Amino acid sequence: DGGITQSPKYLFRKEGQNVTLSCEQNLNHDAMYWYRQDPGQGLRLIYYSQIVNDFQKGDIAEGYSVSREKKESFPLTVTSAQKNPTAFYLCASSTRQGGYTFGSGTRLTVV
Amino acid sequence: AQSVTQLGSHVSVSEGALVLLRCNYSSSVPPYLFWYVQYPNQGLQLLLKYTTGATLVKGINGFEAEFKKSETSFHLTKPSAHMSDAAEYFCAVSDSGYQKVTFGTGTKLQVIP
Repeated sequence: DGGITQSPKYLFRKEGQNVTLSCEQNLNHDAMYWYRQDPGQGLRLIYYSQIVNDFQKGDIAEGYSVSREKKESFPLTVTSAQKNPTAFYLCASSTRQGGYTFGSGTRLTVV
Repeated sequence: AQSVTQLGSHVSVSEGALVLLRCNYSSSVPPYLFWYVQYPNQGLQLLLKYTTGATLVKGINGFEAEFKKSETSFHLTKPSAHMSDAAEYFCAVSDSGYQKVTFGTGTKLQVIP
């Protein structure tokens, strides 16, 4: 079955450490997105990409980086510059007709 | 800029009662509108979407929503709540299907037996 796979499901980061969250899709969708979810704040857009080798900053891109070398993959790196990284991270993809397909998320905790 | 307002961060209904979750939007162009559902520690699942055409949209699990341009609303309803409907629901808007989507802050639905 087609879908989006996010890994790992749980991730622990030490202070000053960079970590990378994986997102892979086999839906042949052109566009991919990263959202951050915090309680009571809904989803906030970090980065998005509509074609390979191109991506744009969302509303809260500071302290994050992405790459889009393949259509299927859109990894997110949470850098040490992100001062409050503890959150639930969601990856999504879409076609031009609209409506996202989401992965099951990665819960990142700073220890 | 587009935005979404969901009225009520928590809604409680009795099992079998009507479910009504409110959503108002703002958009400078005809909007694409969506409702998503999220169960704990999971991703979001698309319930239904409005793009063009019929203003009453039917989705999965018996939910439906009506696009009312004059009221800038897209409220989600279900005639009879089931225990399995307990989840968090997000309304969302975009200027087109392909552009980035803006989400509301969510409404947690509690279903009381």
